[in-house]
Amino acid sequence: QVTLKESGPALVKPTQTLTLTCTFSGFSLSTSGMRVSWIRQPPGKALEWLARIDWDDDKFYSTSLKTRLTISKDTSKNQVVLTMTNMDPVDTATYYCARTSCSGTSCYLDYWGQGTLVTVSS
Amino acid sequence: AIQMTQSPSSLSASVGDRVTITCRASQVIGNDLGWYQQKPGKAPKLLIYAASSLQSGVPSRFSGSGSGTDFTLTISSLQPEDFASYYCLQDYNYPWTFGQGTNVEIK
Repeated sequence: QVTLKESGPALVKPTQTLTLTCTFSGFSLSTSGMRVSWIRQPPGKALEWLARIDWDDDKFYSTSLKTRLTISKDTSKNQVVLTMTNMDPVDTATYYCARTSCSGTSCYLDYWGQGTLVTVSS
Repeated sequence: AIQMTQSPSSLSASVGDRVTITCRASQVIGNDLGWYQQKPGKAPKLLIYAASSLQSGVPSRFSGSGSGTDFTLTISSLQPEDFASYYCLQDYNYPWTFGQGTNVEIK
């Protein structure tokens, strides 16, 4: 059974760095083909893909946020960590992590965490 | 970045209706597209991947079609539990991009 759960602060101040942890079970990021992505959704708005990390430590980032994002993994703890620097109120959103699977050339987000709401406010 | 234009942004339909949602990519993306359903306060759920492959456990009334730049999600007979928001996502190249969503409401 695959599960993922996001954790981190509910409130951060502008200019601070956000650190979110995705703790998962039912698969291992040390297994070939395994990947985890982060996605966010501002209140009442559309989804936005942020970053992905693969079993071989390949990393991919949103072009617009690339300078502020870092994704990493701890395979021994079954965790993926996303850091976002210089937080701004526009970064207020629910942040999701999702297992990412691929079939041929197509990839997809097949299991999602419940999401964690992060509010940026002084 | 590839832009995904989804239409309509919202629609009203009745139980039993056939519903079609479209997604157009700003460039050719092969069949690297998925469809996701999201209910209020919940995480999205994968419905379709690779444009037309039904995710395990998803009812067969959901289907996807298209390739290149134009894609369609069809619900053949809308059920009460299908009232939700729907998003397309292209995974052809980075950054992956979502459509702006379609809200399916009860008529």
